[in-house]
Amino acid sequence: AQSVTQLDSQVPVFEEAPVELRCNYSSSVSVYLFWYVQYPNQGLQLLLKYLSGSTLVKGINGFEAEFNKSQTSFHLRKPSVHISDTAEYFCAVSDRGGSEKLVFGKGTKLTVNP
Amino acid sequence: NAGVTQTPKFQVLKTGQSMTLQCAQDMNHEYMSWYRQDPGMGLRLIHYSVGAGITDQGEVPNGYNVSRSTTEDFPLRLLSAAPSQTSVYFCASSDWEGARGYTFGSGTRLTVV
Repeated sequence: AQSVTQLDSQVPVFEEAPVELRCNYSSSVSVYLFWYVQYPNQGLQLLLKYLSGSTLVKGINGFEAEFNKSQTSFHLRKPSVHISDTAEYFCAVSDRGGSEKLVFGKGTKLTVNP
Repeated sequence: NAGVTQTPKFQVLKTGQSMTLQCAQDMNHEYMSWYRQDPGMGLRLIHYSVGAGITDQGEVPNGYNVSRSTTEDFPLRLLSAAPSQTSVYFCASSDWEGARGYTFGSGTRLTVV
């Protein structure tokens, strides 16, 4: 069975600073990987996904993530954050080859301060 | 607008009452799931379905029932509500293998008193 560990529950940063949100996963098979964002009192929105191919994935709002198979990681990065990036971010994994279940990490709350 | 529609948005129940959370999608997705979100716990899978007539349990299925009579609808039933079921519930749908990412509804905030 898959599992996801988000290594930081809260990440405070100043506006225009770079940020990295860390995600590690475990699975006995090949996986699809996702990052979702949840703004306050809203549902989840897909930020980016890794299915295959290039290990550097670009998403919406200037975010990108890098798949590292040897370290079983999928860290999310942004070179310069804005106040509007304040939200909770969730890493998620699903198995390739027919598993329908999407397993989430516990989330990282990103707070961008002026 | 295409997407996942959940009703109601808010609900207060008394302990022991039953109710159904509704979920409908208009994207002809095969896969549908129900999650609950609790502070510090992320999203945990309750039940999921891979097509009409096919459902299975997720991580936290106790106290909940589902059925899938059509591709579009995937209702979640609380049989006898308990305070531990106070949570925010999300329905999600996806196409084949979730490869395009799941689309989430806006959620139902349920309080059991």
